[in-house]
Amino acid sequence: EVKLVESGGGLVQPGGSLRLSCATSGFTFTDYYMNWVRQPPGKALEWLGFIRNKANGYTTEYSASVKGRFTISRDNPQSILYLQMNTLRTEDSATYYCARDGWGNSFAYWGQGTLVTVSA
Amino acid sequence: DIQMTQSPASQSASLGESVTITCLASQTIDTWLAWYQQKPGKSPQLLIFAATTLAAGVPSRFSGSGSGTQFSFKISSLQAEDFVSYYCQQLYSTPWTFGGGTKLEIK
Repeated sequence: EVKLVESGGGLVQPGGSLRLSCATSGFTFTDYYMNWVRQPPGKALEWLGFIRNKANGYTTEYSASVKGRFTISRDNPQSILYLQMNTLRTEDSATYYCARDGWGNSFAYWGQGTLVTVSA
Repeated sequence: DIQMTQSPASQSASLGESVTITCLASQTIDTWLAWYQQKPGKSPQLLIFAATTLAAGVPSRFSGSGSGTQFSFKISSLQAEDFVSYYCQQLYSTPWTFGGGTKLEIK
């Protein structure tokens, strides 16, 4: 059974940093692209970026809204995905989801989400 | 970036009725489109990928159509558990982008 479990969310002040984790199991982690998506309360989903699989050199891509502030990485032996978030802004407040890619690049599996609140 | 315009933003319908949600891409995305369902307080669930293919375990009352820039998602014979939110997503070119969402409400 595929499982994705996020952790690391919480309250942080503007300008601060936070690292989210996504622990995975039930599949060969290195075979898959892994994504981060966020959703502010009551708003739509926003893709943040992905890290490619082993076959594609574990390279990354980001949305413009987080490029240069957020970094996606992976611990392949431990099957954990990370999102390092720096210089946080109030508009970064959201539930953050990790998602594994599947058929046609779609997001076949999602974690339960972790809430990040950026506030003074 | 490819913009995904999803409509309507909300819709009221009755049990047993059919509803259709549309997504318009700002440029061609072939059939690189997915549809997700999101229940309140839960993570999204993949329903359809490649514009028309049902994900495993998804009931056949859900269907998708379209290619290029215009796409539709239909729910036939609405059940009580279908009155939640739906999102389209293009997966043709990065940044992957989502539509603004559609919330279905019981009439």
